[in-house]
Amino acid sequence: GAVVSQHPSRVICKSGTSVKIECRSLDFQATTMFWYRQFPKQSLMLMATSNEGSKATYEQGVEKDKFLINHASLTLSTLTVTSAHPEDSSFYICSAPRLAGVSNEQFFGPGTRLTVL
Amino acid sequence: AQKVTQAQTEISVVEKEDVTLDCVYETRDTTYYLFWYKQPPSGELVFLIRRNSFDEQNEISGRYSWNFQKSTSSFNFTITASQVVDSAVYFCARTRQLTFGSGTQLTVLP
Repeated sequence: GAVVSQHPSRVICKSGTSVKIECRSLDFQATTMFWYRQFPKQSLMLMATSNEGSKATYEQGVEKDKFLINHASLTLSTLTVTSAHPEDSSFYICSAPRLAGVSNEQFFGPGTRLTVL
Repeated sequence: AQKVTQAQTEISVVEKEDVTLDCVYETRDTTYYLFWYKQPPSGELVFLIRRNSFDEQNEISGRYSWNFQKSTSSFNFTITASQVVDSAVYFCARTRQLTFGSGTQLTVLP
C-alpha cells in the first residue's frame, strides 16, 4: 500500500525556536496533503491543506504566520512551527490522498510528537 | 459544523467479550465515505475500513464487523471475542473533508 513518512518522529525544543516537520509520500505523488494536530486524549483536528504550487488553505483559528506550510514538490510538504511555545506541544500528523481531490483514500504518516519546553 | 459523534469516551471489557463502538454522523452530502481508524499508543493511525454512502451492506472482516445504517446516520463497529491487543483509541470519520469523531478509548483487560 501507499506509504507516507514523517520526519522527525519526535522533537523536543526550547520555547521560541522554530521546528520543521517533513511529510513525504514515498510511492505516489500528492498534489494535496493535509496537516492535523492532536492534543492528548483528543481527536485529530485539521489544521491546513497543503497544495503543491499554491498557498496552503488554513482552517479557522489556525494562525498561518505561526504554522508555515510549504508544499515544495509533489512528494514533500513541510510544516514549520515558528517561535514555538509550550502550548504548541502536540502530536502532528500529515496525510495524503493518493488521487488529487479525492479524500476518500488518504494515507497517514506516523506522526511527529512535538514537545516545547 | 457537520459533526461525527462518538458518545462513548472510554470502554473497558474483559478479554473474549464482544464490544460495540458507536458512531453517529451528520452530513448534508448525498455521497460521502465513512471510516474507522485504530490508534494504538504509538500514535500511528491504522486504517480499518472505508464505506461508501451508497453501500449499506454490513461488512465482516475476521473479528471485526461494521453496521452501517443510513436511516439513523450510524456506522457502528463491533469487535467479537476481544483481545488485549485490541486496546487502543478508535476513531470514526467521514468525508468530504475528513472529519473525525472524538474517539473511543477501548481497554481490553486480560
